[in-house]
Amino acid sequence: DTGVSQDPRHKITKRGQNVTFRCDPISEHNRLYWYRQTLGQGPEFLTYFQNEAQLEKSRLLSDRFSAERPKGSFSTLEIQRTEQGDSAMYLCASSSHLRQGRLRDTQYFGPGTRLTVL
Amino acid sequence: DAKTTQPTSMDCAEGRAANLPCNHSTISGNEYVYWYRQIHSQGPQYIIHGLKNNETNEMASLIITEDRKSSTLILPHATLRDTAVYYCIVRVPSSGGYQKVTFGTGTKLQVIP
Repeated sequence: DTGVSQDPRHKITKRGQNVTFRCDPISEHNRLYWYRQTLGQGPEFLTYFQNEAQLEKSRLLSDRFSAERPKGSFSTLEIQRTEQGDSAMYLCASSSHLRQGRLRDTQYFGPGTRLTVL
Repeated sequence: DAKTTQPTSMDCAEGRAANLPCNHSTISGNEYVYWYRQIHSQGPQYIIHGLKNNETNEMASLIITEDRKSSTLILPHATLRDTAVYYCIVRVPSSGGYQKVTFGTGTKLQVIP
């Protein structure tokens, strides 16, 4: 496993701008998750994909947020008209529920993208 | 979701065993206990998980009480690199629908030289 990768690692933007983050899951992991983490808190679930289908969305995911996973591989998370309250670490994780053995559906996290909205 | 409670912070002397407790008194029969840790400014790192039997891997040991209402993560010989926030969560690894994973605020472990 080469690990989950995220790009960029850091993003600074001005309020009102749009930003897009990318996540590349572990190859052959069919499940992909996005989380948001603010200072001093644990990760909070945002949304979940199984292959290309977005199956679950948290109510934290306002209409300014959109996530895609068009070919069931990498995913993008876009935030439109950013607000200062969007400043956080955005984490991506992946898992395989088809994998056999003890590590079935274990989530592995990427390094995160830290967003700062000025 | 079963919720977990953990102490906010703990200290451990370098070289000694670090024992991190977690309470999950409302855990369901098919929910596993997972442990992750997060070193400052990095993504959470999977450590270990278990259902009811004690588990050990190259990173840590997991002791689950017989009634499954609590567990302890043991780092046998803590090093400075083990300083991190440790999260205990419960979930069902599922081939079906997604079960929301709830992270609490975790335990901040400080390993002291």
